[in-house]
Amino acid sequence: LAKTTQPISMDSYEGQEVNITCSHNNIATNDYITWYQQFPSQGPRFIIQGYKTKVTNEVASLFIPADRKSSTLSLPRVSLSDTAVYYCLVALFYSGAGSYQLTFGKGTKLSVIP
Amino acid sequence: DAGVTQSPTHLIKTRGQHVTLRCSPISGHKSVSWYQQVLGQGPQFIFQYYEKEERGRGNFPDRFSARQFPNYSSELNVNALLLGDSALYLCASSVGTGNYEQYFGPGTRLTVT
Repeated sequence: LAKTTQPISMDSYEGQEVNITCSHNNIATNDYITWYQQFPSQGPRFIIQGYKTKVTNEVASLFIPADRKSSTLSLPRVSLSDTAVYYCLVALFYSGAGSYQLTFGKGTKLSVIP
Repeated sequence: DAGVTQSPTHLIKTRGQHVTLRCSPISGHKSVSWYQQVLGQGPQFIFQYYEKEERGRGNFPDRFSARQFPNYSSELNVNALLLGDSALYLCASSVGTGNYEQYFGPGTRLTVT
């Protein structure tokens, strides 16, 4: 199993940039690292995925160093509606069996303060 | 376009019983994954299917099984239910395997008494 580590919780004021880091080892060398947002009583919602270096979309940026042992989700100028739990998701690939094992982090509960 | 749908939304079962959960992926998606989420924890990976073949398996006992049909819909079966199986069961669909971008359904809330 890949091991992942995320901060349990973070607080931020509205309008600030928030960075959430996930540490992960043994992940598949040829697969994406993805991040999801989850609100209570809903399924996770895809935010961003990347393989290496930096990826940016309309809602977030993702930074992945060359060794791929961590990834950092960056949310610019957070608002109250960004209060949610954020998860990283990584994959292990077993080439002998040709199968994957996907591991979510334990999640970071982000609270945005007015 | 319809998102991922799951049925039923809620159900209550007794210890020792069997349950079947169903999932319909987004049109055009050939991969379906199943996750178990206990309250307050992150989702735990159970299975991934692609083109009707199992492509991934998490650390769950053999009481858990799944299959994918020719129309890419999927069923998750759990036998001999235990109290600890009470959780939200999430289905996600994707165009590809592994850690490709996944779209999640609303989940099925299973309560075992």
